[in-house]
Amino acid sequence: AQSVAQPEDQVNVAEGNPLTVKCTYSVSGNPYLFWYVQYPNRGLQFLLKYITGDNLVKGSYGFEAEFNKSQTSFHLKKPSALVSDSALYFCAVRGGNSGNTPLVFGKGTRLSVIA
Amino acid sequence: EPEVTQTPSHQVTQMGQEVILRCVPISNHLYFYWYRQILGQKVEFLVSFYNNEISEKSEIFDDQFSVERPDGSNFTLKIRSTKLEDSAMYFCASTTGGPYEQYFGPGTRLTVT
Repeated sequence: AQSVAQPEDQVNVAEGNPLTVKCTYSVSGNPYLFWYVQYPNRGLQFLLKYITGDNLVKGSYGFEAEFNKSQTSFHLKKPSALVSDSALYFCAVRGGNSGNTPLVFGKGTRLSVIA
Repeated sequence: EPEVTQTPSHQVTQMGQEVILRCVPISNHLYFYWYRQILGQKVEFLVSFYNNEISEKSEIFDDQFSVERPDGSNFTLKIRSTKLEDSAMYFCASTTGGPYEQYFGPGTRLTVT
């Protein structure tokens, strides 16, 4: 069975500092990994994905994530946090070898960027 | 930029009533999904739909739930007899398939009283 773990319920960071939101996963076969962001009373917005190739993927709003196969991790990073980055972040996975299977989400990490 | 739309944004209903949640996926997408998020909890898969039939469903998607794509544009989720525990945010998503990401609608907040 596929699963995603986001070990931190909340991450606090000062504006201008680097941020990391952690994610580890378990999946059969090659993983397709995604990060989504949810602002209050809004839907899920796609940030970035890893399918294959370079382990460091870049996405929207200056975010990037690093795929680490040996640690089964896909941590979200940003070099310099903005107050406007404050939101709920979800990591999601699906098996890449199994057609269009649904996404399995982590429980989410609330990021709070303090001015 | 094309987007997934959902109506209504908020639906309040009494226990035992039927509700229909509507979604318009992105026009060239082929795979459609419903997910739900109970307040404060993670997003959970309900059902996926392709080629006019259900391709996968979760344990949550019992006989009280059904989906339909009645006119090639809309994609609906029906709950026949709502329960209090059906109160949640329901998200529709669509994708072209393969390695591509799913695009989510803004959600419908369903409140069952």
